Amino acid sequence: QKEVEQDPGPLSVPEGAIVSLNCTYSNSAFQYFMWYRQYSRKGPELLMYTYSSGNKEDGRFTAQVDKSSKYISLFIRDSQPSDSATYLCAMSKYNAGNMLTFGGGTRLMVKP
Amino acid sequence: EADIYQTPRYLVIGTGKKITLECSQTMGHDKMYWYQQDPGMELHLIHYSYGVNSTEKGDLSSESTVSRIRTEHFPLTLESARPSHTSQYLCASSSGPTASSYTFGSGTRLTVV
Repeated sequence: QKEVEQDPGPLSVPEGAIVSLNCTYSNSAFQYFMWYRQYSRKGPELLMYTYSSGNKEDGRFTAQVDKSSKYISLFIRDSQPSDSATYLCAMSKYNAGNMLTFGGGTRLMVKP
Repeated sequence: EADIYQTPRYLVIGTGKKITLECSQTMGHDKMYWYQQDPGMELHLIHYSYGVNSTEKGDLSSESTVSRIRTEHFPLTLESARPSHTSQYLCASSSGPTASSYTFGSGTRLTVV
């Protein structure tokens, strides 16, 4: 069983929709949670970085962590065609030298 | 501009050739990493370094080797390329105790024929 599970999609939504992306994990030692966006033929870029449970908002993006359920989410409001990409969740443990464990990524397509 | 650079972006090479994938960063990060990513699959850590002259193997076994002679430079070498090495290779760097500074390069897409 993988430590981090993520639905691969693809997820297709109309422009302006609210998008919900999710990951589940099995290791309770994960303390830091990240969301990356990866465009085709590019490296991942960090979107959101959170520590422990709760919500964090940055513009149209909201990251949510529920450690009791081992479940993290990324919400995208007013989605745009430029949001079309693969979204990767990643996690790391406390004092683990920045070792990241990635989900497989969800491919998102926002149609005009 | 502080960034992380990978060259070449694309490489098609014959079986048995020796190749070196270059990675350089200008952010002064002490930690550097190599990941392998197959299409539609998750990233797997193959090598990492916590500083000059420090290198370790990651979770995914790889026949490649790395070196870290300078802080900013972390090349990956395959002594004898095989078709099974065909993949995308991503370099990353970070500093500090958490992953908030993690930065990826654009990757090298390697095809071994």
